[in-house]
Order: sequence, then structure tokens, then C-alpha cells
Amino acid sequence: QVQLVESGGGVVQPGRSLRLSCAASGFTVSSHGMHWVRQAPGKGLEWVGIISFDGSNKYYADSVRGRFTISRDTSKNTLYLQMNSLRPEDTAVYYCARERPGGWSDFDYWGQGTLVTVSS
Amino acid sequence: QSALTQPASVSGSPGQSITISCTGTSSDVGGYNYVSWYQHHPGKAPKLMIYEVTNRPSGVPDRFSGSKSGNTASLTISGLQAEDEADYYCNSYTSNNTLYVFGTGTKVTVL
Repeated sequence: QVQLVESGGGVVQPGRSLRLSCAASGFTVSSHGMHWVRQAPGKGLEWVGIISFDGSNKYYADSVRGRFTISRDTSKNTLYLQMNSLRPEDTAVYYCARERPGGWSDFDYWGQGTLVTVSS
Repeated sequence: QSALTQPASVSGSPGQSITISCTGTSSDVGGYNYVSWYQHHPGKAPKLMIYEVTNRPSGVPDRFSGSKSGNTASLTISGLQAEDEADYYCNSYTSNNTLYVFGTGTKVTVL
């Protein structure tokens, strides 16, 4: 069955970097657009970015563009989120999500999330 | 890009119907039939409930239905059940720089 498992979260100082991973099983990431979505403590969901099914296109939210980079390793069937120049407002639970087959505007499977805390 | 506007909370008794609104602009909700709804129990993975305004994924009870009028989309839960108590978020494609925008979220309470 489809499963997404995020890892790599933790406590990091402002200005530092962190890389999150999302291990996929039950499907191949090279067949689906893959997204990152985050939720700050006590706040709602915020879309972070997407990598297209073929890896050729990447789009980001204004709040992270230029600091965050999405990539994938198809041999490991894993999605990544490289986060640089982290700010306290990046503190959130980060989810990876799969684009629904046949669609491109919604997310049919999500992971349980990994918590990133940016604090000195 | 501002978040889509949802009521902070909606409540109802078991068996009743409730409706959650999601208001955007002509650049998102009103301009495209790409509105989806997610159920989120805290600490768990969000779950897709409705896609492309009105469509239910396999396995989602038909008590859940979606609609749209102008710049406002709606999620209706009929025959409310205790397990429906959760946070609900709408999402829309947007023509702005940020491709997707979520709603502010609605906490549904079953009385």
C-alpha cells in the first residue's frame, strides 16, 4: 500500500540548514508530482512546493522561494526538501504529499510529518 | 497570497448537516474548478475528502459533498458522526506566484 514517511526534522539555529527526507513505498515518485506542505504550531496548512512527476519543473511558495529546494532520488524512491537560511517562522511540521493520479491539483496520500524547530 | 477564508469553527449534533465555506477570489476558487478539501485529525496525516470541487475519492463516505458558487466553495457533511470531529481545510489552485493556497481551517465539533 502507499506509504510516505518523513524524517530529518529537529532543532536548528536561525540561519542554518536542514534536509528533510520523504521515503515513498507502494508507488514510484517518478510517476507522480510530489509536494511539501507545512503547518506551523497552532496555524493552518501552508503549501511549500512541488516537483513534477518527471523532475523537470519545481515551484515554490513565495515564503520559501530562493531558500528551499525540492529534489528526489528515484533509485531510493525518496523525496527531499533542502532548507537553507532557516528562520524562526519556518518552525512547523512538514508533510510530504503525493499528487493524485490523473489529477494535478490535489494530494491523495500524505505522510505523518516531521517537526522542524528553528530556535537559538 | 492570502489564505482562503474559512469559519474558525462549526458545530452540530449527531445526525445533523453542517456546511463549511471557503471564500477566495477570481484568481483561485472562482477561476478554476480545482478546489479540494482535507480532513485533519491532529497528529495524523491529512486525508483527501473532495477533489475538483465535487468529486469524492474512493472510500470517502457519500455523507461528504462539495460545491462551488462564484468565489466560494463549500463542504457539506450530512448525517454528522462523532468521527467527523476534526479540522477541515480547503485548497485551491491559484494563478498567483504561489500555485496552491489553503484555507484558514475550520474546527468541526460534534456536540
